[in-house]
Amino acid sequence: QQQVKQSPQSLIVQKGGISIINCAYENTAFDYFPWYQQFPGKGPALLIAIRPDVSEKKEGRFTISFNKSAKQFSLHIMDSQPGDSATYFCAAKGQETSGSRLTFGEGTQLTVNP
Amino acid sequence: NAGVTQTPKFRVLKTGQSMTLLCAQDMNHEYMYWYRQDPGMGLRLIHYSVGEGTTAKGEVPDGYNVSRLKKQNFLLGLESAAPSQTSVYFCASSLRTEQYFGPGTRLLVL
Repeated sequence: QQQVKQSPQSLIVQKGGISIINCAYENTAFDYFPWYQQFPGKGPALLIAIRPDVSEKKEGRFTISFNKSAKQFSLHIMDSQPGDSATYFCAAKGQETSGSRLTFGEGTQLTVNP
Repeated sequence: NAGVTQTPKFRVLKTGQSMTLLCAQDMNHEYMYWYRQDPGMGLRLIHYSVGEGTTAKGEVPDGYNVSRLKKQNFLLGLESAAPSQTSVYFCASSLRTEQYFGPGTRLLVL
């Protein structure tokens, strides 16, 4: 049973455009929401993360928007580049989770066309 | 620092065969994890460990066993491989919240 739902499954944008990936969660006890980026043949790597006490976090071209009341968060990639083409996973961690376990979304395959 | 390493990189098994996947980390992390990645299903936690000598079940533990005899190593075992275990397996380690992933092991069970 997936506790974090991610959409869309795949996304194609043009260079310079904005990529938006959405995630929704059910468990109100989640207290940490990271996004991971995975290139083909590689393991995922942390891209950016947010805690529920803020509504937005920005790092360069990457922004997380967080809506606690709607139990949704999203990743925005501004000025998307072909090098951003990768699979993106959202995730969430519970407050009392043993071992800092993460629950991952299904993933979004992003393709940025030149 | 090598970070998180996994061996082997690729393996083909016949149904019923057994094998062990090895994960090693040189960051002195307490937490270690084994995931499987299947298309459209994200990363699903198989087993995890909160310290040397401890292991616990994750979301999809059936058919797998693990051991953490040394802090830096986390082994994933398949006692009798099944085609449903064809997947890409990732190991990760963590000090607190950020998880560091290895490069993955691609396993094909025929």
